[in-house]
Order: sequence, then C-alpha cells, then structure tokens
Amino acid sequence: SYELTQPSSVSVFPGQTANITCSGDLLTKKYARWVQQKPGQAPLLLIYKDTERPAGIPERFSGSTSGTTVTLTISGAQTDDEADYYCSSPPDNSLVFGGGTRLTVL
Amino acid sequence: QGQLVESGGGVVQPGRSLRLSCTASGFNFPSYGIHWVRQAPGKGLEWVAVISYDGSHQFYADFVKGRFIGSRDNSKHTAYLEMSSLRSDDTALYFCHCFRGVAEYWGQGTVVTVSS
Repeated sequence: SYELTQPSSVSVFPGQTANITCSGDLLTKKYARWVQQKPGQAPLLLIYKDTERPAGIPERFSGSTSGTTVTLTISGAQTDDEADYYCSSPPDNSLVFGGGTRLTVL
Repeated sequence: QGQLVESGGGVVQPGRSLRLSCTASGFNFPSYGIHWVRQAPGKGLEWVAVISYDGSHQFYADFVKGRFIGSRDNSKHTAYLEMSSLRSDDTALYFCHCFRGVAEYWGQGTVVTVSS
C-alpha cells in the first residue's frame, strides 16, 4: 500500500517562509492536494494538482513538486496560518493522506 | 455554494452498529465519488471508504473491510456508511468528502464514540 510522509511539526517566526514536505512513490504517478485544518473545523483545500491554487486562497500559499516529493510553501507566514496541514493523493480506488504537519508560527 | 452535511453519529457499545448519512446540496452530487474519512481524537486524517459516483463500486480500507458498507441514493443526494461490529478504535469524527479538480467538498463531520 502507498504511504505519504510528512514532518510532524514545523515552526517559523511571523513573516518567515515555511516549507512542508510530503514524500512518497505515489507522487510520481498521481497529483497531490494540500489541505489546512484548524481545530474544530473541516479541512480546507489549499493546493490541488501539485501546484494549483483555488480562487480565494492567499497567494502566500504555493505548491511545488520534485520527483517523489511535493512541498507546500507558505511565504510570509502569519499567526493565522497556525494549523495542521495534510497532503493527500488518490491511488486507484482509494485516498492516501500524509500523517499531517503541525505548523507553529512563533 | 456546495456543501455536505453528515449525521447519524453517536455513542454506541462495542459490537453494535450505526449508520451514518451524508447529504449534499448545491453541486452535482451524482457526478462525484464519495469518500468517508475519519479522524480519531488528536490524530490525523484517515481514509475509510469510497463509493463510486453511481454506487456500483465500493472500496474500503483494510481495517474496515467486512464491517463497513458504503452506499448512496443519488435521488436523495445522500451517501451512507453502515458500520457494524464497531470497536473502540473506530471512535472518531467521520467526514464525508468528495473532489474533482478544483472542486472539493467536506462536511463538518459526525462524531462516533464506541464505548461500553
């Protein structure tokens, strides 16, 4: 079965750039999506098709890909960006999530 | 604006059954496969099952195979997850979820607590 690996936590100061990685062989075959989840809330789509950003998502959120790794970059992180971030990808007939990364904006 | 609303969660004893519902509005529900995703307290997102757009195919995570059954009624814009032989480690917030390209929908979830 496929696995996606994320760091469990990332910390940055306000205004700095946060990079959250997601690695797995699946990512050479299927696109990744990134969602943000704040406590008590449903996930919110930030990035789809590895690099595409939906309308209404701030430009400071961007996605990139290289080989078996996709990266979510938050440029100029704000305190409001403190949340859990999950990558996901859909192998045939299922959905795989990374373990999630807790972003702390110090 | 499209949305999904889950219902049917609650407190249930180990070994008992529960049926979750997921009702859609504001988008073309019959065009989407519906996923069930759960989140145990303090844990990450975990895929549970998918029901194909027409309900003809269902696929499950290994840990629920033989215990959970997914279905849907497109005339009611509703998907279901019939859960049986529930265990304490099934305790979680259960979301229904669907996506295609930029379109993505999540419900707010319904809490299932398995406890004696």
